[in-house]
Amino acid sequence: AQKVTQAQTEISVVEKEDVTLDCVYETRDTTYYLFWYKQPPSGELVFLIRRNSFDEQNEISGRYSWNFQKSTSSFNFTITASQVVDSAVYFCALSEVYSGGGADGLTFGKGTHLIIQP
Amino acid sequence: GAGVSQSPSNKVTEKGKDVELRCDPISGHTALYWYRQSLGQGLEFLIYFQGNSAPDKSGLPSDRFSAERTGGSVSTLTIQRTQQEDSAVYLCASSSVPGQGSEQYFGPGTRLTVT
Repeated sequence: AQKVTQAQTEISVVEKEDVTLDCVYETRDTTYYLFWYKQPPSGELVFLIRRNSFDEQNEISGRYSWNFQKSTSSFNFTITASQVVDSAVYFCALSEVYSGGGADGLTFGKGTHLIIQP
Repeated sequence: GAGVSQSPSNKVTEKGKDVELRCDPISGHTALYWYRQSLGQGLEFLIYFQGNSAPDKSGLPSDRFSAERTGGSVSTLTIQRTQQEDSAVYLCASSSVPGQGSEQYFGPGTRLTVT
């Protein structure tokens, strides 16, 4: 069965520091998708990125970057020069294409609560 | 364009009563998903619709939970004989290309409190 682990329940940093959120996943599928979502205090989940299992290229979007490593089953998320507005709960999620019991329903990690202090 | 909408935003009900939660997906999105978010369990997948059919209902927590979707659009999640452990935020999401790992867009959720 699929599983997503976000070992960091809460991280607190001072504004402008870089911060990395860890995500480790388990799956028996060779084809799968990984996601990151942001949940700000307002509560609505916001899509950040999707990565398929065949694309290990790292991605950068502004201050956000993602490091996908199949060898360690990890999909880590780094925020560079953090800002107070980055404060939120961040979720990593997995979707299996073939054997996912939820027909691509997402399996979420428990989330990491990121606090950026001014 | 309009995002996923859910109603009501908050619902307080007495234990044992039935509740209906509504989701209106993004126009044109054929796939619709229900999730539940609670402090103890985190975010859990409940059920997925492709069009009006639900290929997999195994995520529903008990037979008190049911969902339907009509016209390939609006969906309702019904909880019968609510229990206190049903208290949670119920989230709906939709996507345009099911089965391809396409991004799911979430609604604001319905916060259900069972007293």
